[in-house]
Amino acid sequence: EAGVTQFPSHSVIEKGQTVTLRCDPISGHDNLYWYRRVMGKEIKFLLHFVKESKQDESGMPNNRFLAERTGGTYSTLKVQPAELEDSGVYFCASSRAGALNTEAFFGQGTRLTVV
Amino acid sequence: QKEVEQNSGPLSVPEGAIASLNCTYSDRGSQSFFWYRQYSGKSPELIMFIYSNGDKEDGRFTAQLNKASQYVSLLIRDSQPSDSATYLCAASGTYKYIFGTGTRLKVLA
Repeated sequence: EAGVTQFPSHSVIEKGQTVTLRCDPISGHDNLYWYRRVMGKEIKFLLHFVKESKQDESGMPNNRFLAERTGGTYSTLKVQPAELEDSGVYFCASSRAGALNTEAFFGQGTRLTVV
Repeated sequence: QKEVEQNSGPLSVPEGAIASLNCTYSDRGSQSFFWYRQYSGKSPELIMFIYSNGDKEDGRFTAQLNKASQYVSLLIRDSQPSDSATYLCAASGTYKYIFGTGTRLKVLA
């Protein structure tokens, strides 16, 4: 079974540019999550999809971030325009159910550097 | 105060010893607790989760939960150099995880 896959693994962009991160969850996992780790800090929740619906986007930093999951399969996270403080590692995770005690499987992350 | 606190380490233990990793949490509404291991540049991978007070054992790993003290720990018996990694503690009250910053473990051969 393929794991959670994220593209690209690394991205370096200039301030003001746009970047789109992609996540392919494990097949059959309705729940998809985006998290972010800024250097030196803990991994923080950004948002949660159930199929194509956003269940919770309380962790999204501001309106420069837009996440989509059309068709309930893969998801994209777009940052437009990127700022220096957006640098970090963006993790995607998926789980079969959204209930308690359900293991979330993480991707390797996309390391975003804004210069 | 952070919601989930971990000592960043590094925690160094000799090969074959018991490594003890600790985590405290502030939200009493947290119900499930997860330990993830992360090697540098890799994805976090789940080691164990626990939601009942007491101990839960899986091979060389034992997770301990004390809800009254809001304390979670992970014991690694017979530590191996391959256990050297960052260990992330996460608390969950619903579907999202609240992570600590992680503890870096070094097992010395």
